[in-house]
Amino acid sequence: GESVGLHLPTLSVQEGDNSIINCAYSNSASDYFIWYKQESGKGPQFIIDIRSNMDKRQGQRVTVLLNKTVKHLSLQIAATQPGDSAVYFCAEMIQGGSEKLVFGKGMKLTVNP
Amino acid sequence: EADIYQTPRYLVIGTGKKITLECSQTMGHDKMYWYQQDPGMELHLIHYSYGVNSTEKGDLSSESTVSRIRTEHFPLTLESARPSHTSQYLCASSELSRSVRSSTDTQYFGPGTRLTVL
Repeated sequence: GESVGLHLPTLSVQEGDNSIINCAYSNSASDYFIWYKQESGKGPQFIIDIRSNMDKRQGQRVTVLLNKTVKHLSLQIAATQPGDSAVYFCAEMIQGGSEKLVFGKGMKLTVNP
Repeated sequence: EADIYQTPRYLVIGTGKKITLECSQTMGHDKMYWYQQDPGMELHLIHYSYGVNSTEKGDLSSESTVSRIRTEHFPLTLESARPSHTSQYLCASSELSRSVRSSTDTQYFGPGTRLTVL
């Protein structure tokens, strides 16, 4: 079956450093991926997405990289700020049916001042 | 900022009570979803809807039911709450993608309802 998982359950970084959050997925048929950020007591918030016809996509301070060969997805956050502290989830969409998103386990990012 | 709302935000009730969690969105989205999430854990899809009068069961077995009488409203009902239902319930919505080749499913989430059943 399909599964999405994050390699690291927790990550602690210093303010100003760059952060990299990794995610593995198992279904090579997935063609759409999303990163979400969830702060304590809130619902997940969309950060950035990428389709499988792309290897890289950049947003404001964030970059998503997709390596389809090894089925790996990463989120890079530049100049990490205390406000980036949250739990991050990757999610993949399986084509050919209900177009449901499959979420991986969360990874908690803590930014130390 | 997504326009999707959930009420109540917090609910503590006794075993056996019937409850309805409300979810509304003002974006005109066709698709709506309910997820169950334990703290820090992944989201599990329990129900979803493609549009009015459409409801589907998700991946996680659930003793809840949903209805979709209006586009903007997707309530979740537990007929008889049990302590095992204690969790956070998240509602989301997205546009119905019109093309499989360019399918996107960016889901916008509400703030969640934290349910505690005693």
